[in-house]
Amino acid sequence: QVTLKESGPVLVKPTETLTLTCTVSGFSLSNARMGVSWIRQPPGKALEWLAHIFSNDEKSYSTSLKSRLTISKDTSKSQVVLTMTNMDPVDTATYYCARIVDGDYPLDYWGQGTLVTVSS
Amino acid sequence: QPVLTQPPSASASLGASVTLTCTLSSGYSNYKVDWYQQRPGKGPRFVMRVGTGGIVGSKGDGIPDRFSVLGSGLNRYLTIKNIQEEDESDYHCGADHGSGSNFVNWVFGGGTKLTVL
Repeated sequence: QVTLKESGPVLVKPTETLTLTCTVSGFSLSNARMGVSWIRQPPGKALEWLAHIFSNDEKSYSTSLKSRLTISKDTSKSQVVLTMTNMDPVDTATYYCARIVDGDYPLDYWGQGTLVTVSS
Repeated sequence: QPVLTQPPSASASLGASVTLTCTLSSGYSNYKVDWYQQRPGKGPRFVMRVGTGGIVGSKGDGIPDRFSVLGSGLNRYLTIKNIQEEDESDYHCGADHGSGSNFVNWVFGGGTKLTVL
């Protein structure tokens, strides 16, 4: 059974750095074809893709947020970590991680999401 | 990159059918689109992928046969037959605008909230 679970702070202050962890089970990040994306959804708004890490450790980032994002993985812990610097209240959102098989495939399994509020 | 447009809301009576539409912006008629179901308070769930030839690949885990897709021109459709209460959800469409095997760039529509009457 494939599962992904997001964890991290519920509340961060403006200008702080956010660190989120996605812990996966039911598949291995060391598998030659498994990748993970991060996506967010502000309250009442659309989904927004943020970043992706491929099985070969290559990364892709949203063009508009690239300067603030870093994605990495620890295969021994089955975790993918996303950091976002200089947080602002507009970054308040539910953050999801999702699995993609490398290649032309969909986001086939998603986590339940974690709500992050940015406020002083 | 493509823009995906979805009507913000739709409704259908219990047992009826409904078709949801995702429209790609001009110039992207060859793009495949993925449909995702998001029940209240839950993470999205992959439904199925659609191109101009219809379904691409397999449906997501546990997606019933009542769900089907079609594609035509710039439009990608998700049809739900014999609507049940558990189908009341937000439905999102998404597409990958990535240009290579080591580059992805996902874009999503605004989502359609389906209400079951």
